[in-house]
Amino acid sequence: EADIYQTPRYLVIGTGKKITLECSQTMGHDKMYWYQQDPGMELHLIHYSYGVNSTEKGDLSSESTVSRIRTEHFPLTLESARPSHTSQYLCASSEYGDTGELFFGEGSRLTVL
Amino acid sequence: GQNIDQPTEMTATEGAIVQINCTYQTSGFNGLFWYQQHAGEAPTFLSYNVLDGLEEKGRFSSFLSRSKGYSYLLLKELQMKDSASYLCAVMDSNYQLIWGAGTKLIIKP
Repeated sequence: EADIYQTPRYLVIGTGKKITLECSQTMGHDKMYWYQQDPGMELHLIHYSYGVNSTEKGDLSSESTVSRIRTEHFPLTLESARPSHTSQYLCASSEYGDTGELFFGEGSRLTVL
Repeated sequence: GQNIDQPTEMTATEGAIVQINCTYQTSGFNGLFWYQQHAGEAPTFLSYNVLDGLEEKGRFSSFLSRSKGYSYLLLKELQMKDSASYLCAVMDSNYQLIWGAGTKLIIKP
């Protein structure tokens, strides 16, 4: 069973606020990912990491940042939230690197007013 | 550009068999994944194909033809709990996953 946790599960905030979405996994996985998903749409990669002190940008990275100081922790920060950021954010990790299955957290549903 | 195509929605009857197709055009190929996602939940892994042919896992099977850029997920003995979205994803030459928009499967009694 996957052990990957996201907080908060639901968040409603005002425009311009800074927010951090937390993601932690206890499986010792090296690779971690952040995806954004709107209803009925494909997952879009925001950021990913190959391991500690490694971060890479995905397709939608320009308005957010990540850090990977510890293997188990991969937080995502939006410096100034906008209504266009309203979406579901999914964190995932994988064990076997490039060809391994992804284990997803339960998601953080963000609404920006 | 890179593209994954799968039907938006399908309907099937409890106890029946359904096949969900996925066609892809990507820059390189390093495997194809199928994930199941129930409404409001995170995706969960179903299958991985990297070689041509059929992979069977219980009631679920996944087929791949690399020459045709085609895969399908076959679900047998459908149960109501199989109502979910089924996501096809391809790993490209840069080992990045390209995701389809998913097929919403509705199971009727």
